[in-house]
Amino acid sequence: KAGVTQTPRYLIKTRGQQVTLSCSPISGHRSVSWYQQTPGQGLQFLFEYFSETQRNKGNFPGRFSGRQFSNSRSEMNVSTLELGDSALYLCASSSSWLGSGNTIYFGEGSWLTVV
Amino acid sequence: GQQVMQIPQYQHVQEGEDFTTYCNSSTTLSNIQWYKQRPGGHPVFLIQLVKSGEVKKQKRLTFQFGEAKKNSSLHITATQTTDVGTYFCAGDNYGQNFVFGPGTRLSVLP
Repeated sequence: KAGVTQTPRYLIKTRGQQVTLSCSPISGHRSVSWYQQTPGQGLQFLFEYFSETQRNKGNFPGRFSGRQFSNSRSEMNVSTLELGDSALYLCASSSSWLGSGNTIYFGEGSWLTVV
Repeated sequence: GQQVMQIPQYQHVQEGEDFTTYCNSSTTLSNIQWYKQRPGGHPVFLIQLVKSGEVKKQKRLTFQFGEAKKNSSLHITATQTTDVGTYFCAGDNYGQNFVFGPGTRLSVLP
């Protein structure tokens, strides 16, 4: 079956703009989680959605938001982009919530560059 | 807030040598997960440990969860060049937070 699909794969935005990233989980998976990866800060958890509800949230400012639709697809939005938001944004899906023990599958990620 | 440390940051080994990375959390964890990320790739889930003192094995990989559920280790026996990558642990704080360690980058010299 198809893996986790993230779009777009690469994008360049200007400081102050906003961006929306999309994630399509593996069919049947109800949990989608988002992560930011940078060389300086490593891999950081943004938030997790399960059955359209945000289940937990990492330590990021309110400019970072997300949602999940009834078909489990998820979007992540970053408003008022800053240079420091340049990163690889990873999405992962699982058949159950984080911490339940089920395997978590990552997508290839969306590379965001803010100029 | 919750912090997760990993040591060492880098490890270079000769093929066939063993490798161990250690993960320590500042708070008690409900579970801990391990991931591997190859250069240029995305993280791949390896395993989750839940019980105090739990030990799990996957071929040459052995994972341990400490008795206090604050630390964990990943041991690779007889490393191979295919083991190259960065190994991350991630601690789940009973659903309140989910924090990754900084990772240990493993290089294996043939």
